[in-house]
Amino acid sequence: DSGVTQTPKHLITATGQRVTLRCSPRSGDLSVYWYQQSLDQGLQFLIQYYNGEERAKGNILERFSAQQFPDLHSELNLSSLELGDSALYFCASSSSGGSQETQYFGPGTRLLVL
Amino acid sequence: GESVGLHLPTLSVQEGDNSIINCAYSNSASDYFIWYKQESGKGPQFIIDIRSNMDKRQGQRVTVLLNKTVKHLSLQIAATQPGDSAVYFCAETSGTYKYIFGTGTRLKVLA
Repeated sequence: DSGVTQTPKHLITATGQRVTLRCSPRSGDLSVYWYQQSLDQGLQFLIQYYNGEERAKGNILERFSAQQFPDLHSELNLSSLELGDSALYFCASSSSGGSQETQYFGPGTRLLVL
Repeated sequence: GESVGLHLPTLSVQEGDNSIINCAYSNSASDYFIWYKQESGKGPQFIIDIRSNMDKRQGQRVTVLLNKTVKHLSLQIAATQPGDSAVYFCAETSGTYKYIFGTGTRLKVLA
């Protein structure tokens, strides 16, 4: 158990809908990362937050947004969902978000868009 | 562009044998590398890391080797056990906050 929690574990929704994925980092970690894992593309970095502020952006679509709250939990919002958004979404955390710092992953949220 | 890849998508080894999983990276500026293990239905789990100022690092039953000359990374697992069956990813970063992951190698341990 990495100490990172994610909810929900599974999510089934329809195209065009909007969903929110939630992540709580390990105790004491200030940085949160979001990743998308699909069968054909592996793990893709989406976005990183550090202590409530966006620090780095990866391959995140404009339909997706995220935020980190004062209690350090983070939410990833996915809107206007398409079939291709079906994937595993992982959250990871690290203590201070440095570039040579281990990221600890949560169990993921499996999203299925029908 | 930057890329991290794996030579073998699937590796089958006999229980008790040693496993070697390879990874090639293309960014010579990468300075930190991590190996993750991902079991079915779970998130990636940190195994071992290595910084670019090192060639080798050992953990419990695992060793990571870094060859910067040919931009190659390998993970060696000694005395492979059934519980080692999983997908293994290498990841790199080059002084940024963005990790680049390889597509993964599936390790199958045969009884």
